[in-house]
Amino acid sequence: GEDVEQSLFLSVREGDSSVINCTYTDSSSTYLYWYKQEPGAGLQLLTYIFSNMDMKQDQRLTVLLNKKDKHLSLRIADTQTGDSAIYFCAESLPGYSSASKIIFGSGTRLSIRP
Amino acid sequence: GAVVSQHPSRVICKSGTSVKIECRSLDFQATTMFWYRQFPKQSLMLMATSNEGSKATYEQGVEKDKFLINHASLTLSTLTVTSAHPEDSSFYICSANPSWAEQYFGPGTRLTVT
Repeated sequence: GEDVEQSLFLSVREGDSSVINCTYTDSSSTYLYWYKQEPGAGLQLLTYIFSNMDMKQDQRLTVLLNKKDKHLSLRIADTQTGDSAIYFCAESLPGYSSASKIIFGSGTRLSIRP
Repeated sequence: GAVVSQHPSRVICKSGTSVKIECRSLDFQATTMFWYRQFPKQSLMLMATSNEGSKATYEQGVEKDKFLINHASLTLSTLTVTSAHPEDSSFYICSANPSWAEQYFGPGTRLTVT
């Protein structure tokens, strides 16, 4: 079945790295995503990785994918107060049109302590 | 990134009335759009896939007669919540793909049914 799991909370000290983990069950996932949601707002696409890649880095963000274990992580370097938000892991499943259906995890609430 | 807009951003309606929410892709065409629902402190749940020129595809458990979807053009999909009840109060978010990999989300519409 389709299931994406994440831990619900993460607290890190400002300036440290944050690592948010996610596991998924569907091996037919084509892309895996990280979205950020701030209170009362929509979702912001942070980054995504194609399922045949192992790693993707984009400025402070590093995504690691272990396809064998169906494990995805997002590392945020030098975490700042503006990084406080809920981070959703998501997988896209092959669709019949030009777009794919996306299944979301429960979201990890990242809080930053001074 | 690509821009997806929603209107209205917030709506309050009386129980028994219908409410229409619009989703537009502003700088790209989308033959497929997605409608999600998010309850407070919860993840996004896919409600339906909106297809331009054909009927929407609903996820299991979503009442198609209650949540009417019309994909009128390549840049507009509408979700109408018919005979709304307080339990329909939620945050409704749409999304669309400018490319196969990237799915961008609208800012969401907060519906409150009194």
